[in-house]
Amino acid sequence: EDQVTQSPEALRLQEGESSSLNCSYTVSGLRGLFWYRQDPGKGPEFLFTLYSAGEEKEKERLKATLTKKESFLHITAPKPEDSATYLCAVQTHGSGNTGKLIFGQGTTLQVKP
Amino acid sequence: AAGVIQSPRHLIKEKRETATLKCYPIPRHDTVYWYQQGPGQDPQFLISFYEKMQSDKGSIPDRFSAQQFSDYHSELNMSSLELGDSALYFCASSSGVDYGYTFGSGTRLTVV
Repeated sequence: EDQVTQSPEALRLQEGESSSLNCSYTVSGLRGLFWYRQDPGKGPEFLFTLYSAGEEKEKERLKATLTKKESFLHITAPKPEDSATYLCAVQTHGSGNTGKLIFGQGTTLQVKP
Repeated sequence: AAGVIQSPRHLIKEKRETATLKCYPIPRHDTVYWYQQGPGQDPQFLISFYEKMQSDKGSIPDRFSAQQFSDYHSELNMSSLELGDSALYFCASSSGVDYGYTFGSGTRLTVV
């Protein structure tokens, strides 16, 4: 069964304290791995898509990397406005042409000033 | 830029009532997805439509049905509501399956 596991569940950082969020996946065939940011009561906001091992993408203080078994979301010198839940999701070849996503449980990040 | 529009934003219904949620995808997006997110849970895939035809079905109860109309907007119909149906319901749209898709702001359904 396809599975996505994120760790840690919650993370508290001081402003400027860099860290990484982990997303481990077990899927029959990875089509793409997605990172989303979700603020309370709002829809997930797209951050990155990664398609192959070794791929990296960056956006401001965020950098996403992908290996054959996991993905990391690195946060460099975070600010309080980076506080949110970060969701990882995979799209598999088994989903055919539907593109549905299988989500992890998310990591709730709190950045204190 | 236009986003995915969902209505209503909030909905309160009593048990056994019916609810209809609406979704207006980004123009020229050909695929619409519906997800349910319970409190503290990750989004769970319900159903998707590609070019107005149902393309996939996830953990959607038989009490729920959905369709996509000729103008590409979609509606999720939920009948015989139960307390456990209280959740955030998200619609998302994409142009092709190989791109990250855009979520709407969601409809918060509360069943009392």
